[in-house]
Amino acid sequence: KQEVTQIPAALSVPEGENLVLNCSFTDSAIYNLQWFRQDPGKGLTSLLLIQSSQREQTSGRLNASLDKSSGRSTLYIAASQPGDSATYLCAVRSPSNTGKLIFGQGTTLQVKP
Amino acid sequence: DARVTQTPRHKVTEMGQEVTMRCQPILGHNTVFWYRQTMMQGLELLAYFRNRAPLDDSGMPKDRFSAEMPDATLATLKIQPSEPRDSAVYFCASGLFGAGAYEQYFGPGTRLTVT
Repeated sequence: KQEVTQIPAALSVPEGENLVLNCSFTDSAIYNLQWFRQDPGKGLTSLLLIQSSQREQTSGRLNASLDKSSGRSTLYIAASQPGDSATYLCAVRSPSNTGKLIFGQGTTLQVKP
Repeated sequence: DARVTQTPRHKVTEMGQEVTMRCQPILGHNTVFWYRQTMMQGLELLAYFRNRAPLDDSGMPKDRFSAEMPDATLATLKIQPSEPRDSAVYFCASGLFGAGAYEQYFGPGTRLTVT
């Protein structure tokens, strides 16, 4: 059974700092991995999707990497801003013909001005 | 700007009442998911549909929950009778299976409180 873990559960950093959020999964047989952002009281916004054949994806100040063999992904946020404060969730999709996503519990990030 | 819509956004009801949540997926998407989010359990998949057919509802308490897609533009999740432990945020998501990357797009959620 696939399990997804995110460490740390919460993180507080000063504005301008570069930071890394971690995601690990127990079954390396994945189809893809998706990082989401969730603001308080809001839905999920997709940030980056990495296919199993890819090593990383970049969007602006965000860079997500994937090491499938070790069951790990990282989300790197450069030059953090207070507007980056949110909960970040990673989710993996199995290669079966279902499309189901298994989510981690999330990392709640606070960027202090 | 295509997006998933959900109604109502908030619902407060008494234990034992029926609750119906609605979702309009992104036009053209062929897969619809229902998730539930709580502080304790995080995000859990309840059920999902492809081309309006239910594929998996193993995450759903069958005795009180039911999910349907009357047509391609509407998905519903019903709880009857509702219980306080059903209090959570319920998200609907849609995606286009078979389009390679297969991202899921989430709606804003329905925050349900059962008293």
